[in-house]
Amino acid sequence: DADVTQTPRNRITKTGKRIMLECSQTKGHDRMYWYRQDPGLGLRLIYYSFDVKDINKGEISDGYSVSRQAQAKFSLSLESAIPNQTALYFCATSVTGPRNEQFFGPGTRLTVL
Amino acid sequence: GEDVEQSLFLSVREGDSSVINCTYTDSSSTYLYWYKQEPGAGLQLLTYIFSNMDMKQDQRLTVLLNKKDKHLSLRIADTQTGDSAIYFCAETNPMDSSYKLIFGSGTRLLVRP
Repeated sequence: DADVTQTPRNRITKTGKRIMLECSQTKGHDRMYWYRQDPGLGLRLIYYSFDVKDINKGEISDGYSVSRQAQAKFSLSLESAIPNQTALYFCATSVTGPRNEQFFGPGTRLTVL
Repeated sequence: GEDVEQSLFLSVREGDSSVINCTYTDSSSTYLYWYKQEPGAGLQLLTYIFSNMDMKQDQRLTVLLNKKDKHLSLRIADTQTGDSAIYFCAETNPMDSSYKLIFGSGTRLLVRP
């Protein structure tokens, strides 16, 4: 069974629609992250959370919001999707500690028309 | 600011060794990582190295770290067609409260039969 799961895996939507991407983990990790990957680029951090109710902005948080409903769940919302939010979105988890090994979900491919 | 750079593409013949290179700018980095991304999949952590080490070997993988030149490399011995993927170098800086990973743009490895 996958330790970090994301739903949906693929989504096509229209400009202006509200979209929610969900992430669940069974690893028991405290820290959770949302990253975005664009073609030919590495991953960039959108939001992160170190515990339930702890929410922090990453480097590209504009246009996104998140919710940490439980230790195991971290969702990412696009309140009003726009075409330049078309990308691959990854959720990641890690334990508290300096080694900071992050474990990634399989990704959600989002297309905004 | 922080930056991680990688060459975009590497092609090798099956059975040869592959060497993927990475340079980084943040001298405060403590851990450096190599991730593998196969088509349609998330990022899989391959290995990591702590900044006080020069080398780490794990089966077919050898990581070399030159802190003076801020250069990291991943050598894959006896490269197989299943090693074809995108390889990402990443770093983390414990002074960054987000503990985010800073990724390079990835090196696409193509293994020719």
